[in-house]
Amino acid sequence: TQLLEQSPQFLSIQEGENLTVYCNSSSVFSSLQWYRQEPGEGPVLLVTVVTGGEVKKLKRLTFQFGDARKDSSLHITAAQPGDTGLYLCAGAWSGGSNYKLTFGKGTLLTVNP
Amino acid sequence: NAGVTQTPKFRILKIGQSMTLQCTQDMNHNYMYWYRQDPGMGLKLIYYSVGAGITDKGEVPNGYNVSRSTTEDFPLRLELAAPSQTSVYFCASSRRDRVTSNIQYFGAGTRLSVL
Repeated sequence: TQLLEQSPQFLSIQEGENLTVYCNSSSVFSSLQWYRQEPGEGPVLLVTVVTGGEVKKLKRLTFQFGDARKDSSLHITAAQPGDTGLYLCAGAWSGGSNYKLTFGKGTLLTVNP
Repeated sequence: NAGVTQTPKFRILKIGQSMTLQCTQDMNHNYMYWYRQDPGMGLKLIYYSVGAGITDKGEVPNGYNVSRSTTEDFPLRLELAAPSQTSVYFCASSRRDRVTSNIQYFGAGTRLSVL
């Protein structure tokens, strides 16, 4: 069973601070996705990364895929209360079925005004 | 666009009762999934389907059954509800896009308590 380890599990910060969330595995991904989930809702896709070393930016969010495609990070600059939510990484394993994803346990982010 | 629609939103069951969680999507996606989400445990795959008439077990299938008679619908059946099935259930759908990554679209979830 392949595992995705996310850290930290919980993060509580003040508005304006920067933060980084990590997603790690011992296995290689063919692609990796980041989702955000708000209370009472289903996860919503933020980004997909497929190439080792890839960096994608979405406004104040920066996503990086490791060179070896075993890890990823999400960096938020100047966090705002609207960034509050559960951040989930999900990977499709290299050599596995692309239509099945394995999810990490998530990072619960709270941004206080 | 409706996307993925799940019903009911909330349900309380007694131990041993049965129920069906409904899921329908209007995006003509081939792939559909059922997950359960427990606090601090992320999403666990229960069953999935790659097309009408084709289903397969995921990571935690025990106590559940599915069927896929149409592209749009993918109901999840609980035959003998147990307290361990108290969870939030999410249905999702996807299609293969041109970069071979699997973007999944989720419903709003069904919150189930078994007492």
